[in-house]
Amino acid sequence: DAGITQSPRHKVTETGTPVTLRCHQTENHRYMYWYRQDPGHGLRLIHYSYGVKDTDKGEVSDGYSVSRSKTEDFLLTLESATSSQTSVYFCAISGGSSGGAPDNEQFFGPGTRLTVL
Amino acid sequence: KQEVTQIPAALSVPEGENLVLNCSFTDSAIYNLQWFRQDPGKGLTSLLLIQSSQREQTSGRLNASLDKSSGRSTLYIAASQPGDSATYLCAVPIQGAQKLVFGQGTRLTINP
Repeated sequence: DAGITQSPRHKVTETGTPVTLRCHQTENHRYMYWYRQDPGHGLRLIHYSYGVKDTDKGEVSDGYSVSRSKTEDFLLTLESATSSQTSVYFCAISGGSSGGAPDNEQFFGPGTRLTVL
Repeated sequence: KQEVTQIPAALSVPEGENLVLNCSFTDSAIYNLQWFRQDPGKGLTSLLLIQSSQREQTSGRLNASLDKSSGRSTLYIAASQPGDSATYLCAVPIQGAQKLVFGQGTRLTINP
């Protein structure tokens, strides 16, 4: 949807290992986001980016880091995965190719299901 | 702190009925409100985006309204079909930012 891919789509890992999730867009949108979705908590923002190398924290950023070295890629890293980070992770984009305005639509990727044993 | 609430959490209706899903938010100073659909195991699909200056937005059988002063939005689905079965979420951006705050969603089941 809207030219957003996430990789991997599924991952099982062990506690304490590093994990990197990738979001790739072909839409040249300015803003990119990482959310997690958990039963009982809904969707919560982890980090977002408002341009290359420009990122900021969201509601649940502890234990996560992000990087954006190119417009099209936004990486989410769990430095040392814990069982509480078992979740479905969604990437989203907004802002259009011209830079966009705060009221643009957000478009979501297909999600990555991460299980930390 | 902006809070978004969707009631009911689940709704089951027979095919063909018109129905309304509700979304309320605590801070009325919003730029827009967005409605999404999520099928099981899938990502979110944007249905409608209502700007703060608009009162409603339509797409096919869907009509979304926005009343900022009362902190409410409704999603009206006309002539419901089994294919409309999904979870519907609403979301608003935190004032002055791109960050969305989501409701918990309404799980809709349309029975043939």
